Amino acid sequence: GESVGLHLPTLSVQEGDNSIINCAYSNSASDYFIWYKQESGKGPQFIIDIRSNMDKRQGQRVTVLLNKTVKHLSLQIAATQPGDSAVYFCAPRQAGFQKLVFGTGTRLLVSP
Amino acid sequence: DAGITQSPRYKITETGRQVTLMCHQTWSHSYMFWYRQDLGHGLRLIYYSAAADITDKGEVPDGYVVSRSKTENFPLTLESATRSQTSVYFCASSATGTNTEAFFGQGTRLTVV
Repeated sequence: GESVGLHLPTLSVQEGDNSIINCAYSNSASDYFIWYKQESGKGPQFIIDIRSNMDKRQGQRVTVLLNKTVKHLSLQIAATQPGDSAVYFCAPRQAGFQKLVFGTGTRLLVSP
Repeated sequence: DAGITQSPRYKITETGRQVTLMCHQTWSHSYMFWYRQDLGHGLRLIYYSAAADITDKGEVPDGYVVSRSKTENFPLTLESATRSQTSVYFCASSATGTNTEAFFGQGTRLTVV
């Protein structure tokens, strides 16, 4: 089955820095990837997604990079703000299945 | 209100009791999911449903029962609660489609004593 891992469980940055959160996945059949943000006491919220036929996608202050060769994703947050403090999950989905598989998550701590 | 709602938000129950967690969505999404979240395990899929009257097991289904008689509701029942089922439970829904994200409820914090 799918396993999803994260390289860094906690990332501490200063306000204004750029943050990079990494994610490795194991299922080469994964064709769609979502990043979620989970603030304390809340459910996960969608941030950005990327299809397997893309290697980069940009949103507002966020960029996701996908390297299918090594089965690796990263989420880049520009000019990190205290409000970005949360746990971030990547969730790959296998083609033909609606299920999402979540990794353990990375906690992002932003200091003012 | 539009969206996905879970109830109750907090529940304390005793070992051996039956408890049902409710989930309701207003988007008419085909797919609904139940996850549990424990420290160090991220979100683990318990059960999911592709449509009314269609359900399937996820990663950790033991001790749980689901039903989906209506598209908008997807209750999760613990038939005989155990302490190991103390967790935060999240319900989610998604539309059918190749690239559709899942939307999550606020969660139910369940404590089994």
